[in-house]
Parts: sequence; structure tokens; C-alpha cells
Amino acid sequence: DGGITQSPKYLFRKEGQNVTLSCEQNLNHDAMYWYRQDPGQGLRLIYYSQIVNDFQKGDIAEGYSVSREKKESFPLTVTSAQKNPTAFYLCASKTMTGYGSPLHFGNGTRLTVT
Amino acid sequence: AQTVTQSQPEMSVQEAETVTLSCTYDTSESDYYLFWYKQPPSRQMILVIRQEAYKQQNATENRFSVNFQKAAKSFSLKISDSQLGDAAMYFCASNDMRFGAGTRLTVKP
Repeated sequence: DGGITQSPKYLFRKEGQNVTLSCEQNLNHDAMYWYRQDPGQGLRLIYYSQIVNDFQKGDIAEGYSVSREKKESFPLTVTSAQKNPTAFYLCASKTMTGYGSPLHFGNGTRLTVT
Repeated sequence: AQTVTQSQPEMSVQEAETVTLSCTYDTSESDYYLFWYKQPPSRQMILVIRQEAYKQQNATENRFSVNFQKAAKSFSLKISDSQLGDAAMYFCASNDMRFGAGTRLTVKP
């Protein structure tokens, strides 16, 4: 079955360390997105990519970096510059074929930095 | 970027009753889609319903329907015959994939 895989489900890191969250999709979707979810703040867009080797900053890109070397993969690196990295991170994808296609989501990664 | 506002942090409904969740948005586009997503305790996001702005008829998916008021930029979600499984966070989202803060729906048996 096609879907989006985020790994790991839980991730723990020490402050000052960079950490990379994995997101892989086999839906053949062109566009991929990273969101951060904090209590009471909904989903906030970090980065998105609509084509391989290209990506754009979302609303809260500071302290994060991404790459899109393959259509299927869109890893997110949380750098030591991110002041409050502890959060729930969601990856999503959608087709660019047809207008109004919805997002498909992974199961998320809960990152805890201490 | 488009902005989406959900002004009800929490709502509750009695099982089998009807509840309406509110959403307002801001966009300069003439044609666009709007979406409602559900996030149950498992945290898996699920599409509930979507509405194209050019369609005058409100979208309906079984017990879920929308009240789309384009001039007022309002996009509310009505859940009829509420069930215990409807308890979740509900998020409104814009065409450019921005989300509101969410509404936590509790269903009382």
C-alpha cells in the first residue's frame, strides 16, 4: 500500500546537537511538506518542496534545513540554532496533478530535546 | 500566504446531536480550495471534506457538510448525528496548505 513513512516515531537528543527526521513517500507525489505541531498552535509550515532539487521556506524555517535529492524523500534537519525544537513534526505530500488535491500525512515524529 | 483562523479552541457535543465548527480565512485568490482535516488521538491526520470556492453548492460527505460563505470568507464544518469516534482535533486548511489553530471536539455519551 502507498503511503508516507516517518521515522523514528520518538526521537531524543541533547541540546546543541543537530538531528535529522526522515520522511519517505511511495505515492509518486511531487510536493512534500514539513509541519511543526505545538499544543494550541495547530500546524505551522516549516519547508515545502514541489520538485526535486528545489524547496521553499515556510512560515517558521529558521533553525531548520531540508533537502530534496529524490522525489520520494524529504528529510528535515533540526539544527542547534532552533531555539525550541521539542515538538511533534508531521510530513505530508500531495500530487500536483489537478487542482485542489489534499495532503496525505505521515504518522509523525515526536522530538524531545533536553 | 493565506491565513486561516479557528476561534473555538474547544467544543463539545452530545452523542447523536449536531455541532458546527467555525473557520474564517483570508485570500486574494479568486479560485481556491478549502479543507477540513481531523486528527484523532492517534495523531494521524485525515481529510474530512474539501470545498472548491467556485462551486456554489456546499460540499457534503455523509454526516459531514460545510457552510461556505465566500463573501464572508467563512468555511464552517457541520457534523450531524455525532458519534464517539468523531472526538478529535479538527483543523481548517487553506489552498496554500496553511492551517488554523484547531478545535478540540469532545463527544459526550
